[in-house]
Amino acid sequence: DGGITQSPKYLFRKEGQNVTLSCEQNLNHDAMYWYRQDPGQGLRLIYYSQIVNDFQKGDIAEGYSVSREKKESFPLTVTSAQKNPTAFYLCASRRVGNSNQPQHFGDGTRLSIL
Amino acid sequence: SQQGEEDPQALSIQEGENATMNCSYKTSINNLQWYRQNSGRGLVHLILIRSNEREKHSGRLRVTLDTSKKSSSLLITASRAADTASYFCATDADETSGSRLTFGEGTQLTVNP
Repeated sequence: DGGITQSPKYLFRKEGQNVTLSCEQNLNHDAMYWYRQDPGQGLRLIYYSQIVNDFQKGDIAEGYSVSREKKESFPLTVTSAQKNPTAFYLCASRRVGNSNQPQHFGDGTRLSIL
Repeated sequence: SQQGEEDPQALSIQEGENATMNCSYKTSINNLQWYRQNSGRGLVHLILIRSNEREKHSGRLRVTLDTSKKSSSLLITASRAADTASYFCATDADETSGSRLTFGEGTQLTVNP
């Protein structure tokens, strides 16, 4: 089945540690996105990428980093500089070329601090 | 920053009733989209309405768009307990913003059996 796979489902971070969240898609979509969702709130854009080897900062990029070496993969690293990383992280992808396209989401990774 | 704002923040109704959620936005748009999120899961796309459309239907869903008021509404008719979820609107702005969406804060819908 085509879709987006995020792993792990739950992740725990120790103070001073960097952690990497995985996002893989087999939809052949060019654009991929990372969002952060805090309890009872909407989605805030961290980073997005419209093409391999290129990405742009979203609204809350500080303390995060990404790479886009392959079309299928868009990993997110939560660095030790992110002082409040506890949140639900969602990855999405979208076909580009036609702006009237929805985004497709994975099932998220819940990150907590130990 | 979030430009979509949903109203109400929370809505509780009985099974069989209709549920109406509203969304307001601030800038010009190419389209507006509605998504659903079950607790602890990712978002699922429900319906997309283009800026030149005024109304769109999909099953029990009806979406309206008023670009002069910069607002949209989502109506779910004959609601079911399984419709319990959070609903988000998202705006796709004009081409200068690339292909990113801007999400609102969501409406938490509870349908009581």
